[in-house]
Amino acid sequence: DIQMTQSPSSLSASVGDRVTITCRASQSISKYLNWYQQKPGKALKLLIYAASTLQRGVPSRFSGSGSGTDFTLIISNLQPDDFATYYCQQSYNAPPWTFGQGTKVDI
Amino acid sequence: EVQLVESGGGLVQPGGSLRLSCAASGFTFSKYWMNWVRQTPGKGLEWVASIKQDGSEKFFMDSVKGRITISRDNAKNSLYLQLNSLRAEDTATYYCATGGGWGSTPFDYWGQGSLVTVSS
Repeated sequence: DIQMTQSPSSLSASVGDRVTITCRASQSISKYLNWYQQKPGKALKLLIYAASTLQRGVPSRFSGSGSGTDFTLIISNLQPDDFATYYCQQSYNAPPWTFGQGTKVDI
Repeated sequence: EVQLVESGGGLVQPGGSLRLSCAASGFTFSKYWMNWVRQTPGKGLEWVASIKQDGSEKFFMDSVKGRITISRDNAKNSLYLQLNSLRAEDTATYYCATGGGWGSTPFDYWGQGSLVTVSS
């Protein structure tokens, strides 16, 4: 199975900050990397798929990049609604679909 | 608006069984692969099982093979997960999600989850 490793596991930020979260795959997954946002008690939300394609309705302050084994999620101009936990997921060699361990973004 | 609502979770003894349901609305259920994903504080998010639109293909996580069944009723817009021979390590919040299947597609929409606790 492909292992996904996110860093950092948590970070503190302020409104207006630029936040960078990285995700590394244990082998090449081409561009098949997805990012999700999770808030307590709420459904997970797909933010970005295929490494850099913004899901419909997701604000443009979210962006993704990368290919192969290394990927990045950037949140520019962090907003109060963005304080959440973010997960990466590979959909290249699936099943099984595998997830990173998550990055919690808080104040 | 897409809605996925899980139900059926609860407290069950080790070795027991439970059936989770996921009621779908706001989209054409029969056109989508469907999935179950579980989450625990220790292991994070784990994909559990997937089923093709017509139920003809199913995939399972290795550690649950033989103990779980995934099924769907397209007439009722519903997805199910039958959990048998439950173990403490199956304790988790179980989510249903659309998408996946062949073609490297992501999991587009998720429910809010149903908590399963396996304990005596």
